Amino acid sequence: EVQLVESGGGVVRPGGSLRLSCAASGFTFDDYGMSWVRQAPGKGLEWVSGINWNGGSTGYADSVKGRFTISRDNAKNSLYLQMNSLRAEDTALYHCARSVSTIFGVVWGWFDPWGQGTLVTVSS
Amino acid sequence: EIVMTQSPATLSVSPGERATLSCRASQSVSSNLAWYQQKPGQAPRLLIYGASTRATGIPARFSGSGSGTEFTLTISSLQSEDFAVYYCQQYNNWPTFGQGTKLEIK
Repeated sequence: EVQLVESGGGVVRPGGSLRLSCAASGFTFDDYGMSWVRQAPGKGLEWVSGINWNGGSTGYADSVKGRFTISRDNAKNSLYLQMNSLRAEDTALYHCARSVSTIFGVVWGWFDPWGQGTLVTVSS
Repeated sequence: EIVMTQSPATLSVSPGERATLSCRASQSVSSNLAWYQQKPGQAPRLLIYGASTRATGIPARFSGSGSGTEFTLTISSLQSEDFAVYYCQQYNNWPTFGQGTKLEIK
């Protein structure tokens, strides 16, 4: 069974940092790109960042560019999101998702499956 | 950034009836469009990719159509488990999502 399990969320003050992790199982991790997608409470979905299969290409939403860094460790089947200079508007449930594409090596595609998410709350 | 606009925001339909949800892109995304279903407290689930290809395990009552800038998700005969929020997403460029359509019981 393909499974994605996020961890690392919590409450942090504005300006603080947090590192999210996503543990993948049930598939060949380094065959796929991966992404982080967030959902603010009661709101819709927002793609945050993506990375291709070997970490050679990454992408970020304008809202997080320069503050967040995505990375992966294929030996550990794990995806990470380092979040710095956090703001109140970063408060959301952060989902890890497998990116699927007909083009090998790209960062983006459709997302399947998704993890249940880890909640990040930025508040003073 | 490609802006995705879904309509209507809320759709009220009776069980057994057909539901038609729309998604419009601000510029052409070819057929690089996916649809997701999200129920309260759950992660989104992929329904359709490539604008019209059903994902594994998705019932045949779900169908997608369109290309370019206009897309449609049709649910042919609504079951009780289909009432949820539906999102479209383009992946022709950096991914963007529509704001969602809430499908509620009439």
